[in-house]
Amino acid sequence: QVQLVQSGSELKKPGASVKVSCKASGYTFTSYAMNWVRQAPGQGLEWMGWINTNTGNPTYAQGFTGRFVFSLDTSVSTAYLQISSLKAEDTAVYYCARGYVDSYGHHDAFDIWGQGTMVTVSS
Amino acid sequence: AIRMTQSPSSLSASTGDRVTITCRASQGISSYLAWYQQKPGKAPKLLIYAASTLQSGVPSRFSGSGSGTDFTLTISCLQSEDFATYYCQQYYSYPITFGQGTRLEIK
Repeated sequence: QVQLVQSGSELKKPGASVKVSCKASGYTFTSYAMNWVRQAPGQGLEWMGWINTNTGNPTYAQGFTGRFVFSLDTSVSTAYLQISSLKAEDTAVYYCARGYVDSYGHHDAFDIWGQGTMVTVSS
Repeated sequence: AIRMTQSPSSLSASTGDRVTITCRASQGISSYLAWYQQKPGKAPKLLIYAASTLQSGVPSRFSGSGSGTDFTLTISCLQSEDFATYYCQQYYSYPITFGQGTRLEIK
């Protein structure tokens, strides 16, 4: 079945880096964009941006530039989120979510979500 | 950025009740609106897209309406499994934004 499976929870110290993976299965990976969404503890959903799985071109939302990098390995149908110079405020659950983007750049809703990866930043 | 405002922020209801959640966009978004359900410790689940189209597999007691700036999610007959947090989302323009969420609790 169509699914996104993310890597497991991470505990990191401030200043370290983390790389979260999101492996797709059950569909053609390059037919859909991959979005990343953050949810801080007890808070709502925040869209971080998306990556074009055909071109590898990422688009970052404001507040997610510089330390955040989206990447792909299409040979294994996997998207990645890397966060560097981690801060305590990066503590959150990070979700990947599939969404269709048409040739005009119009997005669609996010129909498939990964299970989430909890990243905890603490000394 | 387009601001999405949901009301109420929390709601208490009983099994069998009909409930409505409202989402207002700070500017017109046509019908580029989705509704998600999230249960504790779980990923969000898409319920409705294009403001009123039911996602495959979602029970018909869920319905959505609206266009432009004002939208509603209605659950016609609450079931125990419907107690969760609900989010609206606009995907009309960047950045894609979510409402703050509506927590639906058992009365």
